[in-house]
Amino acid sequence: EIVLTQSPATLSLSPGERATLSCRASQSVNSFLAWYQQRPGQAPRLLIYDASNRVTGVPARFSGSGSGTDFTLTISSLEPEDFAVYYCQQRSSWPRAVTFGGGTKVEI
Amino acid sequence: QVQLVQSGAEVKKPGASVKVSCKVSGYTFIDFYLHWVRQAPGQGLEWMGWINPNSGATSYAQSFEGRVTLTRDTSINTAYMELTSLRSDDTAVYSCARGVAVIMGVVDYWGQGSLVTVSS
Repeated sequence: EIVLTQSPATLSLSPGERATLSCRASQSVNSFLAWYQQRPGQAPRLLIYDASNRVTGVPARFSGSGSGTDFTLTISSLEPEDFAVYYCQQRSSWPRAVTFGGGTKVEI
Repeated sequence: QVQLVQSGAEVKKPGASVKVSCKVSGYTFIDFYLHWVRQAPGQGLEWMGWINPNSGATSYAQSFEGRVTLTRDTSINTAYMELTSLRSDDTAVYSCARGVAVIMGVVDYWGQGSLVTVSS
């Protein structure tokens, strides 16, 4: 099973700052990596799929990059509503196991 | 609009089983995979498995193999997740989520979640 490790566990930043979140896979997932945002008390929201494709309606300040085993989610300038937990997810094993990373909390 | 409505909270004793339902509306049930994901209190997301509502085919995460069964009833647009031999560490919110049509393994719409509490 592919393991996804996210770092840091918590990122403390201020509105307007740049956030850089990392996701590392235990083996190559090619570009089959997605990012989700989860605000408190809400269901996760898909932001990015296949490493760098932003979902319709997701603000342009969110961008994803990487391939193979190392991926990054960048939020160029944090807005108040961006303070949340972010999860990466790989689907390279499809139709077998899909796995999530442990999450990164972006806090004020 | 797309909606996934799940059954209510459950309290179970260790060793028991639980069955959670997920009724969908706003789209054609058999056209999209359904995934099940759980989240223990204060913890991250854990993928459990998927079901193809059209064929009934399933795939399960290794950690749940043998304990989880995903089924569906196409006549009422409802999917089910049954987890057996419950332990205290199975206490979590269990959610169904719709797979994105052409991006297999990724999900877009989620149910509201069903809290399952396992306690003696």
